[in-house]
Amino acid sequence: DVKVTQSSRYLVKRTGEKVFLECVQDMDHENMFWYRQDPGLGLRLIYFSYDVKMKEKGDIPEGYSVSREKKERFSLILESASTNQTSMYLCASSLDQGGSPLHFGNGTRLTVT
Amino acid sequence: GQSLEQPSEVTAVEGAIVQINCTYQTSGFYGLSWYQQHDGGAPTFLSYNGLDGLEETGRFSSFLSRSDSYGYLLLQELQMKDSASYFCAVSSGQAGTALIFGKGTTLSVSS
Repeated sequence: DVKVTQSSRYLVKRTGEKVFLECVQDMDHENMFWYRQDPGLGLRLIYFSYDVKMKEKGDIPEGYSVSREKKERFSLILESASTNQTSMYLCASSLDQGGSPLHFGNGTRLTVT
Repeated sequence: GQSLEQPSEVTAVEGAIVQINCTYQTSGFYGLSWYQQHDGGAPTFLSYNGLDGLEETGRFSSFLSRSDSYGYLLLQELQMKDSASYFCAVSSGQAGTALIFGKGTTLSVSS
């Protein structure tokens, strides 16, 4: 079974802090994704990566950056956390092109105070 | 831009059949996927339609009409454990890699 592991289940940070969310997958998947999920808004794509060191903006990249130095690891960075970034963050990976199922981690509930 | 529309809530009783519709507008369409998410859990993959027609997987079926930009998820013989949120998603972007999700449909199954 594919395992996608997010480093923290719950995180509380202060406004202005730099925040790192880490995600690791163990199945040699090409693609990795970061989504945020808010009630009534579904899952919104922040960034995705289809190869090491490659990244593409999703629908809501503002205020975020990403890093993929190794195939198995995809990090989401909040350069200066703000209260409107309080959310559930979900990492996912998929094997290859369109149609490949996304495998999600259990999520990180981030609260910015 | 891309947009997906699906009903926000659906209710049904055990044993019934429910259809969750999804209409979409997107450029570079590759296919339509469906995901299930229970409260407090991660989304899990249910089905993918890359071509027009019906795909059946046990009690669940999914349909796609590319010409109508429309699809649906059909759940048969509903069980209490089917109470969850269901998301349609379109594949687009770099070789269809990116998955853009709808806002989700909350299905409540009662006895």
